[in-house]
Amino acid sequence: AQTVTQSQPEMSVQEAETVTLSCTYDTSESDYYLFWYKQPPSRQMILVIRQEAYKQQNATENRFSVNFQKAAKSFSLKISDSQLGDAAMYFCAYRRNTGANSKLTFGKGITLSVRP
Amino acid sequence: DTEVTQTPKHLVMGMTNKKSLKCEQHMGHRAMYWYKQKAKKPPELMFVYSYEKLSINESVPSRFSPECPNSSLLNLHLHALQPEDSALYLCASSRGQGNQPQHFGDGTRLSIL
Repeated sequence: AQTVTQSQPEMSVQEAETVTLSCTYDTSESDYYLFWYKQPPSRQMILVIRQEAYKQQNATENRFSVNFQKAAKSFSLKISDSQLGDAAMYFCAYRRNTGANSKLTFGKGITLSVRP
Repeated sequence: DTEVTQTPKHLVMGMTNKKSLKCEQHMGHRAMYWYKQKAKKPPELMFVYSYEKLSINESVPSRFSPECPNSSLLNLHLHALQPEDSALYLCASSRGQGNQPQHFGDGTRLSIL
């Protein structure tokens, strides 16, 4: 079975600084996808970034980038120039590439606070 | 604005009531999902519909009854719920392929008295 581990329950960052959220996963599959979702107090789960396992290049979306280490099964999220609106709960997630019935496996999440 | 619309946003009901949660998407997605989320916890998958057919039921108690009337609409019928069923219920949709992300709604905050 696949597992996703986020070992840090909380982190804090100063506004405009950079923060890295860690995530590791365990799988025996070779074809899969990794995601970071953000859930602010408004409740909606928002996709931040995704990474295809077959791609060596790390995904980037504006201020958000990942460090994907496939051999180490590590998928960390770096937030640059942190903003107050980045304060939220962040979930790392894994999904096998087997269509709609492929489950999204979430980590426990990490609460990020941003200090003004 | 969210592309997956859930109603109602809040629901308070007694243990003997019958109510329904509604989810709608107009993105042409053929896979739809129901999740249950407790505070400060990750979402837990309940049901998956693929092309309007129930494809996954994660051993959810029968007091939760899903329904997919058409490709854009997903309902969750509630009956005789327990206090421990109080949670945020999230609906999501996706194109279906593994690489396609799931798009979530804002959720329904359910409280059982």
